[in-house]
Amino acid sequence: DTAVSQTPKYLVTQMGNDKSIKCEQNLGHDTMYWYKQDSKKFLKIMFSYNNKELIINETVPNRFSPKSPDKAHLNLHINSLELGDSAVYFCASSPRVIAGRETQYFGPGTRLLVL
Amino acid sequence: GQQVMQIPQYQHVQEGEDFTTYCNSSTTLSNIQWYKQRPGGHPVFLIQLVKSGEVKKQKRLTFQFGEAKKNSSLHITATQTTDVGTYFCAPHQGGSEKLVFGKGTKLTVNP
Repeated sequence: DTAVSQTPKYLVTQMGNDKSIKCEQNLGHDTMYWYKQDSKKFLKIMFSYNNKELIINETVPNRFSPKSPDKAHLNLHINSLELGDSAVYFCASSPRVIAGRETQYFGPGTRLLVL
Repeated sequence: GQQVMQIPQYQHVQEGEDFTTYCNSSTTLSNIQWYKQRPGGHPVFLIQLVKSGEVKKQKRLTFQFGEAKKNSSLHITATQTTDVGTYFCAPHQGGSEKLVFGKGTKLTVNP
């Protein structure tokens, strides 16, 4: 019944490794997002997809590569993990991309710790 | 670009006291949303304000949008321990496809 789900919930890994986080929404929404929340709780958008098309790509290192196989899924792959990548990553979705007027529904978050 | 300031960054109150967080933008906004994040949880949508001078209430929570649509506030009357969390404003500027979240106000309530 979870509207926006993410896996895994926790991820502990070594520097230099490659990891993926998966996100799925069963709300029938067209738009999905990835946010990064650092230790100071700052919430910053990383990417947004609308109907599998990339529409927002903030200044994010190209080690981060999102992929949307269909509009219900948005995955995030991270290559060569660095200490500074440690954060909570939230997936979110909204009904449409209509410029910031749509409520965003957040997943439970993936807590990534890079050692 | 759009500059958003949310104050205060932290607020500690005794249960029963009132609490207010403010969100100020350097530019005129199209609309603004407010979210609450409980400790260890994820942001949850509270409300959206669109009209100049708009005031909306949800039980003990009162949300206001400034006349110039550059600032907004969230006021909680008689705080309870269940109000604990971080409150984020998410102002939106017309023409942009993204929300820019404020840095949040972390509220702690002493029972």
